[in-house]
Amino acid sequence: KAGVTQTPRYLIKTRGQQVTLSCSPISGHRSVSWYQQTPGQGLQFLFEYFSETQRNKGNFPGRFSGRQFSNSRSEMNVSTLELGDSALYLCASSLTAGTSGRGAIGEQYFGPGTRLTVT
Amino acid sequence: AQSVTQLGSHVSVSEGALVLLRCNYSSSVPPYLFWYVQYPNQGLQLLLKYTSAATLVKGINGFEAEFKKSETSFHLTKPSAHMRDAAEYFCAVSHSGGYQKVTFGIGTKLQVIP
Repeated sequence: KAGVTQTPRYLIKTRGQQVTLSCSPISGHRSVSWYQQTPGQGLQFLFEYFSETQRNKGNFPGRFSGRQFSNSRSEMNVSTLELGDSALYLCASSLTAGTSGRGAIGEQYFGPGTRLTVT
Repeated sequence: AQSVTQLGSHVSVSEGALVLLRCNYSSSVPPYLFWYVQYPNQGLQLLLKYTSAATLVKGINGFEAEFKKSETSFHLTKPSAHMRDAAEYFCAVSHSGGYQKVTFGIGTKLQVIP
């Protein structure tokens, strides 16, 4: 089974530009989460999508947005880039079950990440 | 609310020595707990997970962790460190009630000295 893929792997952008990152989850996984990883802040949760709906959102400004398509592929967009947006952006997919109780195990499978550098 | 504290952002051990990476959690409900490993320029890989079954959890690459409710801890151990264990390790907690909400610790970089 193919793993989580992210494209592109590396990206260099200029302040003020916008960027779109793509994530293809493991086949059959319907949940996709995005994280920003920086040396100082560690892994910070951006948002999670399940069946094309955003279910959870972290504490990031509105410049960060995402969407999920019917095939579970997800994109993340950052507009008006700032220097502080330089980071490794990780996508994770999981097979969540049910809508209540302890049905969802929470085990996530991560992609290799997209390294974004803003200059 | 849930949170994770990893004690020690950097840990150095000699090859062959015991590896102990500390993790304490805070959760208002019974948690799911995870340890992930990240090698340079790669994403995170699941080492092991606790989901309220056995309190001693065995994972891949010889790692194991013990859930101690009284101490709210989930420390990661390996009896004998290998050079290939040098990586960054993340403890994570989830109290998923159907939603995927995982909180990660800041990470511990493990250095293995030959």
